[in-house]
Amino acid sequence: NAGVTQTPKFRILKIGQSMTLQCTQDMNHNYMYWYRQDPGMGLKLIYYSVGAGITDKGEVPNGYNVSRSTTEDFPLRLELAAPSQTSVYFCASSYGWATDSGNTIYFGEGSWLTVV
Amino acid sequence: GESVGLHLPTLSVQEGDNSIINCAYSNSASDYFIWYKQESGKGPQFIIDIRSNMDKRQGQRVTVLLNKTVKHLSLQIAATQPGDSAVYFCAENGGYSTLTFGKGTMLLVSP
Repeated sequence: NAGVTQTPKFRILKIGQSMTLQCTQDMNHNYMYWYRQDPGMGLKLIYYSVGAGITDKGEVPNGYNVSRSTTEDFPLRLELAAPSQTSVYFCASSYGWATDSGNTIYFGEGSWLTVV
Repeated sequence: GESVGLHLPTLSVQEGDNSIINCAYSNSASDYFIWYKQESGKGPQFIIDIRSNMDKRQGQRVTVLLNKTVKHLSLQIAATQPGDSAVYFCAENGGYSTLTFGKGTMLLVSP
């Protein structure tokens, strides 16, 4: 079972460059999320989507954009990369709201991004 | 602001011992709590969850205890194995539509 698949696994960006982190899930989940994880810190929500065509900001959205054209895909766009965006990024999905019991969040393997 | 925190950043145990990982939360509106396991280089994996109308829930080799009086959550792992070595996170819903994650505790299991 593929679950949540993220690409690329590792990437080094120069300051000011842009890139897109790809995420796809094959579980027909309505909800998808992007989190970032800084060393020694908990996961912070960047953006989330409750279905195709619907996205909303999380706790730390600045410097990022998302789109949700299909149920399966939820790419994260970094515009004008900054060193503060050096982090590990996790895409996740769930059938319903992850804050309700029974709606387990499934995470991807992570994308390690370094901005130099 | 409200936050979820962990008492011990690193816990070292011997194989076969029972492990207890603690988590303090401060948002009294939280009514749903989750424990995740994150192995090195991988994404978090769901272990067990508990709703606030319960004080204990058991899974396979794991038990979560919830003490709402002191806003404390713990994860107990029975007969800890080397494969249990990982970072463990607690998360709470905080009454909001998204989860708040703790910083994590590293569990190290020695053979």
